Amino acid sequence: SQQGEEDPQALSIQEGENATMNCSYKTSINNLQWYRQNSGRGLVHLILIRSNEREKHSGRLRVTLDTSKKSSSLLITASRAADTASYFCATDTGRRALTFGSGTRLQVQP
Amino acid sequence: EAGVAQSPRYKIIEKRQSVAFWCNPISGHATLYWYQQILGQGPKLLIQFQNNGVVDDSQLPKDRFSAERLKGVDSTLKIQPAKLEDSAVYLCASSSFRGGTDTQYFGPGTRLTVL
Repeated sequence: SQQGEEDPQALSIQEGENATMNCSYKTSINNLQWYRQNSGRGLVHLILIRSNEREKHSGRLRVTLDTSKKSSSLLITASRAADTASYFCATDTGRRALTFGSGTRLQVQP
Repeated sequence: EAGVAQSPRYKIIEKRQSVAFWCNPISGHATLYWYQQILGQGPKLLIQFQNNGVVDDSQLPKDRFSAERLKGVDSTLKIQPAKLEDSAVYLCASSSFRGGTDTQYFGPGTRLTVL
């Protein structure tokens, strides 16, 4: 079964706008990771946040983690057409194999 | 460094046929994973190797799927016989456990279509 569930399932925005995706999970985690997948391609690691961290930044990405609510959010600021992709959260529960959510499909209109 | 290599990139077979996928992980990565990704879903772990030993194969349909990692480097995943519901992208990933975290690096995947 999939541990994480992303929300929304699909998101369409204009270039320059911010995109926010949410992820909820069910069990305790060591860390939570976000991946991007362009159509027909493999997954690319974006950012990792540990269970004892609340917020992390990487370039235009901002990730938050609320372990009490078992939720995380990914914010992409000043979106570009090249950000069009599917975004997945993945949880590491200590077994080291990741459990992925079902993804958010982001479409950035130029 | 070179990324994770997979072949073939695409494969079309008829049901009940056999198929094999190959993966070459990033050099030095001890852990190798095979995931199945059905269209519209996230990847689901099939099997995890640590060097040439199996760590987790609890979600591998062992009646038809098999995988091996000889010499702790390359790996092959086989399906025999294939069913329609096996149509998916098969992703290979590798990682090295450093600093208490485990970032996985994915190959481009093999898209399997079973007719």
